[in-house]
This record gives sequence, structure tokens and C-alpha cells, in this order.
Amino acid sequence: EVQLVESGGGLVQPGGSLRLSCAASGFTFSSYAMSWVRQAPGKGLNWVSAINGGGDYTYYADSVRARFTISRDNSKNTLYLQMDSLRAEDTAVYYCAKSNDFSSSSPADYWGQGTLVTVSS
Amino acid sequence: QLVLTQSPSASASLGASVKLSCTLSSGHSSYAIAWHQQRPEKGPRYLMRLNSDGSHIKGDGIPDRFSGSSSGAQRFLTISSLQSEDEADYYCQTWGTGIQVFGTGTKVTVL
Repeated sequence: EVQLVESGGGLVQPGGSLRLSCAASGFTFSSYAMSWVRQAPGKGLNWVSAINGGGDYTYYADSVRARFTISRDNSKNTLYLQMDSLRAEDTAVYYCAKSNDFSSSSPADYWGQGTLVTVSS
Repeated sequence: QLVLTQSPSASASLGASVKLSCTLSSGHSSYAIAWHQQRPEKGPRYLMRLNSDGSHIKGDGIPDRFSGSSSGAQRFLTISSLQSEDEADYYCQTWGTGIQVFGTGTKVTVL
């Protein structure tokens, strides 16, 4: 059974940093691209970042480029999102999603339960 | 620019059918999409991948009541025999090199 478990969310001040983790199980982690998708309170889904199965190609939405860094440790079956220079508009539930292909040019076919990030003073 | 357009809401009676649409932006009519369901206070759930020719591959455990179809730049999700647990937000997703895009979602109400 595929499982994705996010952690690391919490309350952080504007300008601060946070690192999210997503522990994956139930599939060959290194064979699939992974993504982070966020959802602001009462709003829709917004793609944040993606990484291919090998970890050598990364992609970002314009709103987070140069502030967020996606990475993965295939030996630990874990996906990360380092978030720096956080802003109030980054407040959202952050979901980890598995793609159905090695390349990130593919749809999400499994989702985690999400972790809430609140940016506020 | 790759954009997906969805109607904000749809409704139908218990046991009836509802058909949701997702429209790809100009120049992207050949793109495949995926449909996802998000029940209240829950994480999203993958329903299916839908290709431009209407062929679709459903996710694990997705009931036969959910089906997909395509016409030009439009992609459709039809839910037959509506049940109360189908009341949810439905999002379409597409992707390209280095980018993924979600539609704004359609809220389905079961009357």
C-alpha cells in the first residue's frame, strides 16, 4: 500500500525558514517523480515544486523559485521541501504527491494527508 | 500559457448523474489531464488520467461510476449514480516540461 506521510509544518514568522519532509513507503521511491502541492485556506490546489526520480531535475512555480528548494534522499525514501524567506501568502496545507512516472511531466497518482504551514508574526 | 478552466459548481440529485468539464487553454488541446477528488477536510485523491482521445486509466479502487471523456480541448468527468460521498471538490491537473497546473476546482453538491 502506498503511503506518504508529511511532517515539519508549524507556525513560523515572516522571513523565517521551515523544512518539510515526506516519508514514502509501499513503492520503489527512486523510480518516481515527486511533487509538493499547496492549498491556502479555503482555496484550490496550487503546484509548488517537482523533482524527478533521480533527483537531478527540479522545477518550481514562479511564486516560490529562489526561496524554496526541493530535494530527495532515495536511500531514505524521503522527499524534502526547504522553505526560506517565508511570507504570509505561503500559509497553506502542503501536500506531498507521487507521480506515476520517473519524469515529473506526469500526473500525481497518490497524495499525502498534508501538513499545515502558518506564516504569521 | 497553460491554463485549465473549470466551472465553480455543479449539483445533481442523489442517484442521478453529473458531468464536469475542464477546458485546456488555446494551443494545448492535445494534452492529457488527471482528475482528483477532494472531500471536505481531506487530502486529494487521484481518480484517473484522461487522454485527448478519451481513453482513461483509473486509480486504485475508483468505482465504475466515475468515467472520463474528451472533445477537442475539453475533458469531462462523469459521475453516475451519485452518492452522498461524492459531494466534494473536483480538480483537473495537467503537466508539461517543468510545470504542473491545476484547475480552480468544481464543487459538486448532491441534492
